Amino acid sequence: DTAVSQTPKYLVTQMGNDKSIKCEQNLGHDTMYWYKQDSKKFLKIMFSYNNKELIINETVPNRFSPKSPDKAHLNLHINSLELGDSAVYFCASSRAGGSAGELFFGEGSRLTVL
Amino acid sequence: AQSVTQPDIHITVSEGASLELRCNYSYGATPYLFWYVQSPGQGLQLLLKYFSGDTLVQGIKGFEAEFKRSQSSFNLRKPSVHWSDAAEYFCAVGPTGTASKLTFGTGTRLQVTL
Repeated sequence: DTAVSQTPKYLVTQMGNDKSIKCEQNLGHDTMYWYKQDSKKFLKIMFSYNNKELIINETVPNRFSPKSPDKAHLNLHINSLELGDSAVYFCASSRAGGSAGELFFGEGSRLTVL
Repeated sequence: AQSVTQPDIHITVSEGASLELRCNYSYGATPYLFWYVQSPGQGLQLLLKYFSGDTLVQGIKGFEAEFKRSQSSFNLRKPSVHWSDAAEYFCAVGPTGTASKLTFGTGTRLQVTL
């Protein structure tokens, strides 16, 4: 039973399209995150939600919009995709405020923009 | 600003040999330090963490790390590497008690030869 699951695992799409990635966690955690890992494996936080409320929004283009319908789900919608959006996007969760410090990651969603 | 440096991009060791992966950090207060491992096609998994107490911490899969404040280092070690340890290893630093503001290093790819 996967703790943090993301769908889809692979996305291949054309520039200008809109796409969404879904994330669900069954760990009962209050905090969820989206990370972007580029081709050089550099991992950078994009967003963090605590109990459906946005608490971290790093410098990310407005084309990226996270949505948290409940504390077990955090989806990422990307409008007008660009070549530079190609990356692996990881969803993660942690206990409230990450107090235990451990992030639980999903397996990632590899987005390729052509 | 906090930062993490992993000086070795790629390391190759023979199975059964010992391993040390280097991590240097920059942080203005008492850091919260982590090592994560990413197997191919997978998300990151926590190996171990340090935030106080004994400076030598034990983790999963036989890994350990030592916090050296004077050297701003948190190197990961394993006495005898197994072929299944081949993966990407990430060091991370953040504020004490939260995972919400972690900064990751650029990773070290470990290759294990038989």
